[in-house]
Amino acid sequence: NAGVMQNPRHLVRRRGQEARLRCSPMKGHSHVYWYRQLPEEGLKFMVYLQKENIIDESGMPKERFSAEFPKEGPSILRIQQVVRGDSAAYFCASSPTEQGIYGYTFGSGTRLTVV
Amino acid sequence: AQTVTQSQPEMSVQEAETVTLSCTYDTSESDYYLFWYKQPPSRQMILVIRQEAYKQQNATENRFSVNFQKAAKSFSLKISDSQLGDAAMYFCAYRSGVNDYKLSFGAGTTVTVRA
Repeated sequence: NAGVMQNPRHLVRRRGQEARLRCSPMKGHSHVYWYRQLPEEGLKFMVYLQKENIIDESGMPKERFSAEFPKEGPSILRIQQVVRGDSAAYFCASSPTEQGIYGYTFGSGTRLTVV
Repeated sequence: AQTVTQSQPEMSVQEAETVTLSCTYDTSESDYYLFWYKQPPSRQMILVIRQEAYKQQNATENRFSVNFQKAAKSFSLKISDSQLGDAAMYFCAYRSGVNDYKLSFGAGTTVTVRA
């Protein structure tokens, strides 16, 4: 039973380009959460999605960031026109229910570097 | 979002010795969950231990145990018989128990294990 799969593991983008980060949740998990980790900081909540629905995007910047979790395929976090401040590790987590009281299963993250 | 504070940026421990990591949090809720996550250099976020606030008994997982002091809002992690593989960043996290799903993380403590 594969865990949460994120790809790519490392992504380098030039300022102004688009970054697309992918997350495949654990089998049987229909709830996906994205977190961002800036250098020397803990993870910060960005967005919570269920299949075809964004439930809570309160932690996501209003501009340039979007997320989706289609009926088929992985969840995608998209960052348009990236800037240096977007450089961070982006983590995806999944759970079988929205409560996740047993702790979420995290992927290994995508490290985005904007040059 | 609740505030989670880890006051020790770095801790060093001799192999086979014990180290304790501190964590305090700020909340007005009585029902919540607390977690410790380990992040080794591979960047994978690994759940180490969890504690339900309504349980007075401290959680234990093999060499890892917590000291949960609800009144003091303190949740420390003790690593006994430290091993080289314990070297990692450790994050304390809080999750509300009332219809919430977001984790609030502390800034982390880097643990170094000396051979």
